[in-house]
Amino acid sequence: EAGVVQSPRYKIIEKKQPVAFWCNPISGHNTLYWYRQNLGQGPELLIRYENEEAVDDSQLPKDRFSAERLKGVDSTLKIQPAELGDSAVYLCASSPRQVWPYGYTFGSGTRLTVV
Amino acid sequence: DQQVKQNSPSLSVQEGRISILNCDYTNSMFDYFLWYKKYPAEGPTFLISISSIKDKNEDGRFTVFLNKSAKHLSLHIVPSQPGDSAVYFCQGGIQGAQKLVFGQGTRLTINP
Repeated sequence: EAGVVQSPRYKIIEKKQPVAFWCNPISGHNTLYWYRQNLGQGPELLIRYENEEAVDDSQLPKDRFSAERLKGVDSTLKIQPAELGDSAVYLCASSPRQVWPYGYTFGSGTRLTVV
Repeated sequence: DQQVKQNSPSLSVQEGRISILNCDYTNSMFDYFLWYKKYPAEGPTFLISISSIKDKNEDGRFTVFLNKSAKHLSLHIVPSQPGDSAVYFCQGGIQGAQKLVFGQGTRLTINP
């Protein structure tokens, strides 16, 4: 079974440019998460989807970040315009509706560098 | 509000010895905890979990202990192997709530 697939793996952009990340979750997983991980920190939730509905986006900086999950499967996270402080690893994860006891399955992440 | 804390950013252990990674939490509503392991350039992978109704869960070389009165859990790895070198995250969760909270992580290095 394929895991959570993310692309691209790495992205370097200049500040003020737009960038987009793509995620394909595990088939059958209703819940999809986007996390941001800064160096030396734990992952921080940006947005959580239940099927196609964003049920928790309280930590998403909505002035520059947007996300969508069309048809409740793939998801895209966009930043426009990017700032230097957005440099981080962006992780996508998915889970069944019942997270316990196996937690999330994460993708390999996209490492974003804004210069 | 950091509900889950891993106060040791790094830990170095000799191969064959026991590794003990610690995690403290403040939210008494957590009713399960998970540990993840993360290698460089990869996403975290699930390692082991424990329900709040238990005080111990064991899976091979990995054992997680939970002390609810102290709001503390620990992950024991014995014997430690070079492949255990990674960053370990603990995570607290509430049944029915899909949002789990991560600690900051502890980088474990196993020395030969």
